[in-house]
Amino acid sequence: AQSVTQLDSQVPVFEEAPVELRCNYSSSVSVYLFWYVQYPNQGLQLLLKYLSGSTLVESINGFEAEFNKSQTSFHLRKPSVHISDTAEYFCAVTGASNDYKLSFGAGTTVTVRA
Amino acid sequence: DTGVSQDPRHKITKRGQNVTFRCDPISEHNRLYWYRQTLGQGPEFLTYFQNEAQLEKSRLLSDRFSAERPKGSFSTLEIQRTEQGDSAMYLCASSSPGQPQHFGDGTRLSIL
Repeated sequence: AQSVTQLDSQVPVFEEAPVELRCNYSSSVSVYLFWYVQYPNQGLQLLLKYLSGSTLVESINGFEAEFNKSQTSFHLRKPSVHISDTAEYFCAVTGASNDYKLSFGAGTTVTVRA
Repeated sequence: DTGVSQDPRHKITKRGQNVTFRCDPISEHNRLYWYRQTLGQGPEFLTYFQNEAQLEKSRLLSDRFSAERPKGSFSTLEIQRTEQGDSAMYLCASSSPGQPQHFGDGTRLSIL
């Protein structure tokens, strides 16, 4: 079985400042990793995915995450945040061979202030 | 791509009543998933279909819960004899094998 720990429940940050959201996973098998974003009263939107290949993955809106197998981490970063990045962010993991069951962390609430 | 559609968006019901939710996946996706999300937590896996076959059920899915996907397209999740602890957001997702799951906006269930 896989599990995820998101180390920060709340991250306040000023507009245009950088942000890092930490995610560590546990698994005895190869994994796929994801970051999802959730806005109030909405479902989850896929932000980033790591399936294989390059360990650094990027999104179209400036987020990036790096898969670190030795540290079992998949931290999310953005060099300069906007007010519109205020949301809840979830890290999720699934086994590469049983990729039907996502295990989510408890989420990190990012609040961007002007 | 019309996305995953869930209906209703909100459901308020009295304890002990039965409720049914519907999920319409992205049309070309043969996998469909149900999750439950309580306040302040990440979603928890409930069950998973590949086409019309229900291939896995979580221990969270008690006997009061039943999910169907009769023709391999839309799915329903029914909760019988609702309890206070069933209050949550119920999320549906769909995907093709080996691809990320795409989520709907969920059905928020409130038990009075």
